[in-house]
Amino acid sequence: NAGVTQTPKFQVLKTGQSMTLQCAQDMNHNSMYWYRQDPGMGLRLIYYSASEGTTDKGEVPNGYNVSRLNKREFSLRLESAAPSQTSVYFCASRKGGGPGAWGTEAFFGQGTRLTVV
Amino acid sequence: DQQVKQNSPSLSVQEGRISILNCDYTNSMFDYFLWYKKYPAEGPTFLISISSIKDKNEDGRFTVFLNKSAKHLSLHIVPSQPGDSAVYFCAASEDDMRFGAGTRLTVKP
Repeated sequence: NAGVTQTPKFQVLKTGQSMTLQCAQDMNHNSMYWYRQDPGMGLRLIYYSASEGTTDKGEVPNGYNVSRLNKREFSLRLESAAPSQTSVYFCASRKGGGPGAWGTEAFFGQGTRLTVV
Repeated sequence: DQQVKQNSPSLSVQEGRISILNCDYTNSMFDYFLWYKKYPAEGPTFLISISSIKDKNEDGRFTVFLNKSAKHLSLHIVPSQPGDSAVYFCAASEDDMRFGAGTRLTVKP
């Protein structure tokens, strides 16, 4: 019962370095999401993929890119990390698949704590 | 632009009493509204949801109320228990899903 798996769990980067956060789900979900959580800001949507083959910007996409590699995997890339990207990153998935499914629950990974120095 | 707002950062209630958490939204196009609970160092977990065509949904001790004209929803927890202490997020959904800033609920024994 893996659900949503994120790797790595912790990462320290130097300013300007690049890295990719990995996310995989084993629930055959159509929709996947990347959020960042900052104190007092809640969860802010970075990018999402409503279905395999599509990706869309969320609230805070600048400085990030995503790839929906296949139905299971949705990666988040920081090309040139900045201290403002220090945050906890959460990946989520849900069944999705159309307007009638937007009320279904999303399942979240355990998070990746990223520090950019 | 923050489309989902939770204006109370924290709430403290006595065990056995009612907890009421509030949420406002700005985009009338949202189809569904959801509540999630989060403990430290864990991902959020789903609690309850409501469709935009309903005004109430109940699941055990948890009830969500939706007032579309006011663009306002609330989560009622009755009776509150110490294990309910956590951060609660409301979310609004179309194909994306937008969250509020969260309310930290503390239930005192």
